[in-house]
Amino acid sequence: DTAVSQTPKYLVTQMGNDKSIKCEQNLGHDTMYWYKQDSKKFLKIMFSYNNKELIINETVPNRFSPKSPDKAHLNLHINSLELGDSAVYFCASSQGGRGGISHGYTFGSGTRLTVV
Amino acid sequence: QKEVEQDPGPLSVPEGAIVSLNCTYSNSAFQYFMWYRQYSRKGPELLMYTYSSGNKEDGRFTAQVDKSSKYISLFIRDSQPSDSATYLCAMSEGYNFNKFYFGSGTKLNVKP
Repeated sequence: DTAVSQTPKYLVTQMGNDKSIKCEQNLGHDTMYWYKQDSKKFLKIMFSYNNKELIINETVPNRFSPKSPDKAHLNLHINSLELGDSAVYFCASSQGGRGGISHGYTFGSGTRLTVV
Repeated sequence: QKEVEQDPGPLSVPEGAIVSLNCTYSNSAFQYFMWYRQYSRKGPELLMYTYSSGNKEDGRFTAQVDKSSKYISLFIRDSQPSDSATYLCAMSEGYNFNKFYFGSGTKLNVKP
């Protein structure tokens, strides 16, 4: 299946822990993203990588660090987790530039992070 | 003020009704507009996109953009229970759409 897959789907962890979320896409897209969706369903971009290069880095605590080993993978590492980090984190991919607009983003199914 | 405002709903309609979903925005530089549908516990999926002002139709769905009013709409005709989901609008300034701003979504419930 062609898709954006992210793991794990659910993550429950204690405050202060460090955790990682992995994302892979097999669509051949050149751009990948991390979005955070809060309890009110507000979806906000965190990071964007194009061909392994960081191109968008929104105002996100530096406890969040993305890593893109190749253009098909974009992982998110979170240090010293806080209660306010609880949210659903979505990975997405797109083909940037001309011709890509009609396809928009392809989102993964999300990772539901709960910090206790 | 958020870049994109969207009424969270929920909006509850009977099957077969015409549904109107709307977003307003503040940035007059936005040119690319998209609508996504998100089912519970799933990622958003692209429904429609439009460029600049005007209408676009795809089956039971019609997207409208009124740039002068900074207002976009999604109409769903003959709504079905399977349309029950959260609908998010998204918009961007440039052709390179690396940075889209999303509304917070409107939850729609279509009752059989």
